[in-house]
Amino acid sequence: DGGITQSPKYLFRKEGQNVTLSCEQNLNHDAMYWYRQDPGQGLRLIYYSQIVNDFQKGDIAEGYSVSREKKESFPLTVTSAQKNPTAFYLCASSIDLRTGGNTGELFFGEGSRLTVL
Amino acid sequence: AQTVTQSQPEMSVQEAETVTLSCTYDTSESNYYLFWYKQPPSRQMILVIRQEAYKQQNATENRFSVNFQKAAKSFSLKISDSQLGDTAMYFCAFMKGQGGSEKLVFGKGTKLTVNP
Repeated sequence: DGGITQSPKYLFRKEGQNVTLSCEQNLNHDAMYWYRQDPGQGLRLIYYSQIVNDFQKGDIAEGYSVSREKKESFPLTVTSAQKNPTAFYLCASSIDLRTGGNTGELFFGEGSRLTVL
Repeated sequence: AQTVTQSQPEMSVQEAETVTLSCTYDTSESNYYLFWYKQPPSRQMILVIRQEAYKQQNATENRFSVNFQKAAKSFSLKISDSQLGDTAMYFCAFMKGQGGSEKLVFGKGTKLTVNP
């Protein structure tokens, strides 16, 4: 089945450690996104990528890093510089409007919950 | 910058009744898209309904419909014949329609509980 797979579902980290969240999609979508979800805050964009080997900062990129070496994969690293990393992280993908897709719909993974101990 | 406001943090409705969730947005763009996304307790977010700003006709998807008031910058979601499975967080979202970054801007969400 086509979709987006995030792993791990739950992750615990000690302060000062980097951690990488995985996001893989087999929808052949060009664009991929990482959002952070906190209670009462909605979804905030961390990073997004519209094409392989290119990505842009979102609204809250500080303390995070990403890579896009393959179309299917968009891993997110939460670094020790992120002051408040405990949150729920959502990965999403979409057809890039510029290449002909016209729905603008995002397809989401099931999320990864990161807790810093 | 675009902003999306959902003024109702929580709502509840009895099964089979109708409920309306509010959303307002602020933009200077003329071409854009609006969305309602649903996040059930299992957490996977899914699209409920989508509206193009250039279309005057309100979008409908089965029991879900919107009231799009472009001049008022309002985009409410009506759920008819509410079902227990409608219990979820509902997010209103905005996206510019000129291509480019395709970033969605989300509201803070409304937690809807459907009671038996």
